[in-house]
Amino acid sequence: GAVVSQHPSWVICKSGTSVKIECRSLDFQATTMFWYRQFPKQSLMLMATSNEGSKATYEQGVEKDKFLINHASLTLSTLTVTSAHPEDSSFYICSARDIRGGEQFFGPGTRLTVL
Amino acid sequence: DQQVKQNSPSLSVQEGRISILNCDYTNSMFDYFLWYKKYPAEGPTFLISISSIKDKNEDGRFTVFLNKSAKHLSLHIVPSQPGDSAVYFCAASANSWGKLQFGSGTQVVVTP
Repeated sequence: GAVVSQHPSWVICKSGTSVKIECRSLDFQATTMFWYRQFPKQSLMLMATSNEGSKATYEQGVEKDKFLINHASLTLSTLTVTSAHPEDSSFYICSARDIRGGEQFFGPGTRLTVL
Repeated sequence: DQQVKQNSPSLSVQEGRISILNCDYTNSMFDYFLWYKKYPAEGPTFLISISSIKDKNEDGRFTVFLNKSAKHLSLHIVPSQPGDSAVYFCAASANSWGKLQFGSGTQVVVTP
């Protein structure tokens, strides 16, 4: 149980295009999902907290107009990187917290490369 | 400002011996601590957690120790196995519901 999937697992795009990453909780309902990014050999940095049916809460320094988050259902949150640039290339990881509480379960991550 | 710190970027240990990973934090509001294991190009996998009302939590080969006065926690893995080779992240939050602050990770290599 407690499986979180992400799609796609990797994506290469041209500079200026937008990329959507999906995060799904497969066998549980998640009122809260979190989006992280990780640069090579660095820590996971929280980007935003996504609550079902409401606006996401962004961490300081994260541009909400660039990283659009939608949490339309209890099992799906999406992160859209708009007008992507090479510096947005990173490993994006989502996590989901069961509606009953407890620890976060992480997805396998999405490797984004912007050319 | 890094509120959770793992000062050892790497650790090499012989199979069968004990691995000790350390983590320090600065925020006294942190009340809940977790350890995650991560392989390259994968998401972190939860290992073990501890709340501030305890000073020790054990689960199989994994034991986490918490020293609140020193704002320090450690993860002991015994005996270490080759499959334990991975990056280990320490994380902390204000409560079990809160957002997580991660340390920078420690790469563990278990040698035969």
